[in-house]
Amino acid sequence: GQQVMQIPQYQHVQEGEDFTTYCNSSTTLSNIQWYKQRPGGHPVFLIQLVKSGEVKKQKRLTFQFGEAKKNSSLHITATQTTDVGTYFCDGSSNTGKLIFGQGTTLQVKP
Amino acid sequence: ETGVTQSPTHLIKTRGQQVTLRCSSQSGHNTVSWYQQALGQGPQFIFQYYREEENGRGNFPPRFSGLQFPNYSSELNVNALELDDSALYLCASSFGLAGGTDTQYFGPGTRLTVL
Repeated sequence: GQQVMQIPQYQHVQEGEDFTTYCNSSTTLSNIQWYKQRPGGHPVFLIQLVKSGEVKKQKRLTFQFGEAKKNSSLHITATQTTDVGTYFCDGSSNTGKLIFGQGTTLQVKP
Repeated sequence: ETGVTQSPTHLIKTRGQQVTLRCSSQSGHNTVSWYQQALGQGPQFIFQYYREEENGRGNFPPRFSGLQFPNYSSELNVNALELDDSALYLCASSFGLAGGTDTQYFGPGTRLTVL
């Protein structure tokens, strides 16, 4: 079946270090969304990527969609303690099915 | 705030009981998806409703059922509750089908505990 694998599962960084999480799909995606979920909270939408090779930036966050539309990455430059949380990718296939990755939990040490 | 609301926020049930969770979509949205999120896991897709009809279903047994109403609010019903049904249940609304370019907006979730 369709799967979205997200790596790493956990990442501990020192404040100021960079962080990257990757999503890899077994099938071509029509689009991909990224969410952030703080401990005890619900997913909050960050961004949507639609085009092959698309790159979008939000302040210190850079999102990329692969050329084959099967993988995506989220990169945070110079992490801050406010970046703590779990980052999920959610891929939509061309059948409309929605597949979440397992998430990457980021811990930032001050 | 996303404009998506869910009720109740917390619920405690016992095994074998039935539960109904409710979701009110963001204004103008005609698609709602339901997810189950166990502690420490990513959201698992339960099903999606588009204009009052089921549009897709994840790997959940038939005792998980849903409804979408003409005003696009939605219900998730779970019969014969099991201990493993304890989780955060999230609904997310969007405009149009999820296979397009539409973004989902999540509600705050209902925390269900089955004893």
